[in-house]
Amino acid sequence: DAKTTQPTSMDCAEGRAANLPCNHSTISGNEYVYWYRQIHSQGPQYIIHGLKNNETNEMASLIITEDRKSSTLILPHATLRDTAVYYCIVRVATGAARQLTFGSGTQLTVLP
Amino acid sequence: EPEVTQTPSHQVTQMGQEVILRCVPISNHLYFYWYRQILGQKVEFLVSFYNNEISEKSEIFDDQFSVERPDGSNFTLKIRSTKLEDSAMYFCASSDHPYSGNTIYFGEGSWLTVV
Repeated sequence: DAKTTQPTSMDCAEGRAANLPCNHSTISGNEYVYWYRQIHSQGPQYIIHGLKNNETNEMASLIITEDRKSSTLILPHATLRDTAVYYCIVRVATGAARQLTFGSGTQLTVLP
Repeated sequence: EPEVTQTPSHQVTQMGQEVILRCVPISNHLYFYWYRQILGQKVEFLVSFYNNEISEKSEIFDDQFSVERPDGSNFTLKIRSTKLEDSAMYFCASSDHPYSGNTIYFGEGSWLTVV
């Protein structure tokens, strides 16, 4: 699975949009971009994933560049409860039980 | 919303003792996983399980570890003879059919302390 690069930490004001970047320049055509977050040693929580089109769900939006070498997770109105470590993971999503490889992620701190 | 449940939430055990961590994956899911996270470190993959056999395992998953699906709902991780360095949070996870984008959902974890 391709490697990803994320900033170590970011701050965001409560109520503002949080934009978390991820670089995955070696991504392959059959690899998805997944985002998870982990709130203070709780289990990783799935946020969103996409292949090449932009995706949106009730939690966030995922913007993938046309060349697929980078993406941005957008939390439209960040709250204090969004403070967490956010992981961008690239993974082949077909075939047998491919596991997720977690990096160090981005520590997002939402400030009041 | 369906969820992965794990028990116990916290267990303290003596070095050398056997430990079994239990998980109830999301019903209708077919793939099961164990991950662990040592305090302050990354989440690490241990093992994946499908169709009653191990699909993938990491270097961490040595002969001291085993997994089992003893019935139609539970998925267990056994550590035969615990070591101090096995102290970690252990996360169970499950996912559904591989052709649907295969999202992995995690439980809240079992914190294991080996003393």
